[in-house]
Amino acid sequence: QVQLVESGGGVVQPGRSLRLSCAASGFTFNGYTMQWVRQTPGKGLEWVALITYDGSRKYYGDSVKGRFTISRDNSKNTLYLQTNSLRPEDTGFYYCARTDGDWSRLDYWGQGTLVTVSS
Amino acid sequence: QSVLTQPPSVSAAPGQKVTISCSGTSSNIGNNYVSWYQHFPGTVPKLLIYDDNKRPSGIPDRFSGSKSGTSVTLAITGLQTGDEADYYCGAWDDSLSGVVLGGGTKLTVL
Repeated sequence: QVQLVESGGGVVQPGRSLRLSCAASGFTFNGYTMQWVRQTPGKGLEWVALITYDGSRKYYGDSVKGRFTISRDNSKNTLYLQTNSLRPEDTGFYYCARTDGDWSRLDYWGQGTLVTVSS
Repeated sequence: QSVLTQPPSVSAAPGQKVTISCSGTSSNIGNNYVSWYQHFPGTVPKLLIYDDNKRPSGIPDRFSGSKSGTSVTLAITGLQTGDEADYYCGAWDDSLSGVVLGGGTKLTVL
């Protein structure tokens, strides 16, 4: 069955970096566009980034553009999110999700990894 | 402020029908498919509706989606207390080159 397992979250000071990972299994990873979505405290879901199946195209939400980088290693069935220059408002749960067809269609989600940005 | 506009909250009694609206523009809803998600706090969001009005396997037909122009609506019939959750709409935005999500609607089943 499809499984997505995030890791790499933790507590970090403002301005520092974290690399989040999402290990995928149960499907042909290199055939799917993947995305990151987050939920910050007291707020709703916020789209973070998207990468196409082959890594050729990447898109970012305005609040993370220039600071976060999405990437993937299809040989390792793993999705990444490099988060730099972290801010307190980046605190929240980060979910990786598989895209099936239309890019708004996120059909499988991981359990999420918590990022806390605090001094 | 979210690109897609949803009411912050809706409520209805068990067994009744409720609708949740999601309004956008020609750059997103008007020109692209819409998906809906159900999110219970502390759990993983679940895909409820995709391609405006299709249900993934396992989603009961009490949930339905419709579109008119630059707005979409999620309808839930035969409301159950277990439907109390946050609901989000989402679509690709051609101008922003990104996925845009609504601010979420909290459903209360009275």
